Amino acid sequence: NAGVTQTPKFQVLKTGQSMTLQCAQDMNHNSMYWYRQDPGMGLRLIYYSASEGTTDKGEVPNGYNVSRLNKREFSLRLESAAPSQTSVYFCASALWGEWNYGYTFGSGTRLTV
Amino acid sequence: ELKVEQNPLFLSMQEGKNYTIYCNYSTTSDRLYWYRQDPGKSLESLFVLLSNGAVKQEGRLMASLDTKARLSTLHITAAVHDLSATYFCAVAKRPTSGSRLTFGEGTQLTVNP
Repeated sequence: NAGVTQTPKFQVLKTGQSMTLQCAQDMNHNSMYWYRQDPGMGLRLIYYSASEGTTDKGEVPNGYNVSRLNKREFSLRLESAAPSQTSVYFCASALWGEWNYGYTFGSGTRLTV
Repeated sequence: ELKVEQNPLFLSMQEGKNYTIYCNYSTTSDRLYWYRQDPGKSLESLFVLLSNGAVKQEGRLMASLDTKARLSTLHITAAVHDLSATYFCAVAKRPTSGSRLTFGEGTQLTVNP
């Protein structure tokens, strides 16, 4: 089925370890996003990529880096994991043009540090 | 900075009753979205509201948008247990390219038999 695929679904890290969360979409969307969800705080934007070749910071970028590898793939890297990064991470994609086409979310990655 | 506020944050209601969830946002917006999230799951798109006065209905849920008041409502009619979930509103404001969704804190709805 078409959509947004995130890997892994679950991950446990020790403080200071690094890891990369992978996200791929097959809907030919131009924009991709990484959010984190913490209890009682809704979803907060970490980084986004409006189009291939561009990335920008969101609300909570500290401790993260991203790479827009190509139009399909957008990865999120934690260089040195901290307990404050324990969260559920969602990748999303959207097609922005003259009209809105909506956002599609992946199934999420549950990360424990 | 765009802020999105939902109320109530917690809602416990009986089956068969009606209720409304409110979503206020702080600046002009291009789009307003409503999502549903079941525990441990991803976000499911419910409605996309594109213009002032927009009203959309799906089953027992109806969403409306008043851009002048910067207010959207999600009205629940004759609630049933299957509607128990967390509901998020989110607002998109488009910069020069792409756009970012800013979420409210979410409303945790419990429908009791």
